[in-house]
Amino acid sequence: KAGVTQTPRYLIKTRGQQVTLSCSPISGHRSVSWYQQTPGQGLQFLFEYFSETQRNKGNFPGRFSGRQFSNSRSEMNVSTLELGDSALYLCASSPRQSSGEQFFGPGTRLTVL
Amino acid sequence: AQSVTQLDSHVSVSEGTPVLLRCNYSSSYSPSLFWYVQHPNKGLQLLLKYTSAATLVKGINGFEAEFKKSETSFHLTKPSAHMSDAAEYFCVVSYMNRDDKIIFGKGTRLHILP
Repeated sequence: KAGVTQTPRYLIKTRGQQVTLSCSPISGHRSVSWYQQTPGQGLQFLFEYFSETQRNKGNFPGRFSGRQFSNSRSEMNVSTLELGDSALYLCASSPRQSSGEQFFGPGTRLTVL
Repeated sequence: AQSVTQLDSHVSVSEGTPVLLRCNYSSSYSPSLFWYVQHPNKGLQLLLKYTSAATLVKGINGFEAEFKKSETSFHLTKPSAHMSDAAEYFCVVSYMNRDDKIIFGKGTRLHILP
């Protein structure tokens, strides 16, 4: 089976812009979770989607949003980018909701200038 | 409140010597426990998992971990470190059917000295 894929792998944006990141889960996996990883804050949970519904949400402002499509692919959107949004954004998929056993993609490195 | 604590943010060992990465969790419930490894600029990879079967769990690359309920610990060990083990390691606890929470530790960076 193909692993979790994330596109793009690298992205450079300027403050105030918006960005959309994409994640394709492993075939058959219905749960997709998103994480933000920075040197200062470490790994932080953004949200989880399961069967097209947001099931869990971390403590992030409303500028961070996501969705999941019927084929389980997911997108994450960040509006009005701030410098502090520069991070590695990781997507993980799982066959079950809220499972600690997740399969991670390689991440999207977002740089906000 | 449920939590997971990785007691060391950095650990340095010499190549060929044992590795010990410590993880403690707090909970009244029986958790599932996981260790993940992240190499530089890569995603996380599952090393091993404990889900209420054998308390000594063997994972990939020679790593293993022992679930000790009395100590609420799930320490990761390896008998002999290799240079390729240099990475960041995350301890994760999940509580199925209990608020559906997954909690990541803050990570331990493992340095291997030649």
